[in-house]
Amino acid sequence: EVQLVESGGGSVQPGRSLRLSCAASGFTFDDYAMFWVRQTPGKGLEWVSGISWNSNTIGYADSVRGRFTISRDNAKNSLYLQMNSLTAEDTALYYCAKAAGSGYHFPLFDYWGQGTLVTVSS
Amino acid sequence: EIVLTQSPGTLSLSPGQRATLSCRASQTVSNNFLAWYQQKPGQAPRLLISGASSRATGIADRFSGSGSETDFTLTISRLEPEDFAVYHCQQYVSSPWTFGQGTKVEIK
Repeated sequence: EVQLVESGGGSVQPGRSLRLSCAASGFTFDDYAMFWVRQTPGKGLEWVSGISWNSNTIGYADSVRGRFTISRDNAKNSLYLQMNSLTAEDTALYYCAKAAGSGYHFPLFDYWGQGTLVTVSS
Repeated sequence: EIVLTQSPGTLSLSPGQRATLSCRASQTVSNNFLAWYQQKPGQAPRLLISGASSRATGIADRFSGSGSETDFTLTISRLEPEDFAVYHCQQYVSSPWTFGQGTKVEIK
């Protein structure tokens, strides 16, 4: 059974940093691209970042580029999102999502975690 | 950026009725790289349909997807109680990968 378990969310002040983690199990992690998607009541679902199976291809939404860094450790079956210079607009539920394929350019999300909540507020 | 517009925002129907949800793209979605997800309260989205019309593993055949280019439809032939949820469409043909704003199917 595929499982994706996010952690690392919390409440932080604007300008601070957080690091999200996603622990994967139930599939061969290094065969698939992985993504972060966030959700807010106002903006719905928003793709944040993605990484290919071998970390060779990485992409970011314009809204987070230069502030967020995605990475993965295939030996640990884990995905990460380092979030710096957080603003109130980053407040959201952050999902880890598995792609159906290995490449970054095929972001069809066949499994999702339950999400970790990030709240940015002073 | 491909903008996806879903309509209606809310659909009020009774169990057993047919639901028709629309997803319109601002540009052609090549190769029909259009997916539909179902999301229930407090849960993560679940993949229903990929390639505009292919049901994901384990998805009931009352769910069907159709359409091409800029106009796509998700149809639920006969609503079951567990189908009342929010449905999102997503394009995966060009970055940034985008979602529609969602259609809520509620019990009338």
